[in-house]
Amino acid sequence: GQSLEQPSEVTAVEGAIVQINCTYQTSGFYGLSWYQQHDGGAPTFLSYNALDGLEETGRFSSFLSRSDSYGYLLLQELQMKDSASYFCAVRIYNQGGKLIFGQGTELSVKP
Amino acid sequence: DVKVTQSSRYLVKRTGEKVFLECVQDMDHENMFWYRQDPGLGLRLIYFSYDVKMKEKGDIPEGYSVSREKKERFSLILESASTNQTSMYLCASSLWQGAGGYTFGSGTRLTVV
Repeated sequence: GQSLEQPSEVTAVEGAIVQINCTYQTSGFYGLSWYQQHDGGAPTFLSYNALDGLEETGRFSSFLSRSDSYGYLLLQELQMKDSASYFCAVRIYNQGGKLIFGQGTELSVKP
Repeated sequence: DVKVTQSSRYLVKRTGEKVFLECVQDMDHENMFWYRQDPGLGLRLIYFSYDVKMKEKGDIPEGYSVSREKKERFSLILESASTNQTSMYLCASSLWQGAGGYTFGSGTRLTVV
């Protein structure tokens, strides 16, 4: 089957750096995505790694290593508004590009 | 920006009712998806569609059906609502096999009483 594993909770302080890991068991996917979801809101797309390596978008970076079946989201200069749930997801080959999501990591940023 | 619009933010329905959840996207995306989200269970795929009149079952299709008569509109139908279908329902769209991610609608919180 296909599965993605993430830590359920992470806590960090304002201004710090935090890394949210995602390990997966799946064969044949287009890329690894990350989504942010605030309480009561819809998931919003943050980043996408089609190839191995690091992608940087402002304070957020995402990394993928297909050989290690592993990726992570790195958030720098944490702000209180970054408190949210973060989901990793993979788009599966030959299944209409459907996304399989991890269970999500709840990030709490403390002052 | 792509917009995905879900017709209702909150709905309360009675057990046994037929319920329609509507979703419209405005960027000519091929793929559309319906997920439900429950605490501790994450996002689970109900149905998806990669073309007009095409539909594929996701991981939890039981008790649901879908309709895609036009490219921009994807409807989720609860044939006979039950209390275990109380959930947040999220519609999303994406390009066919495109890079990047999905665009989600703001969600419909459905309560079945």
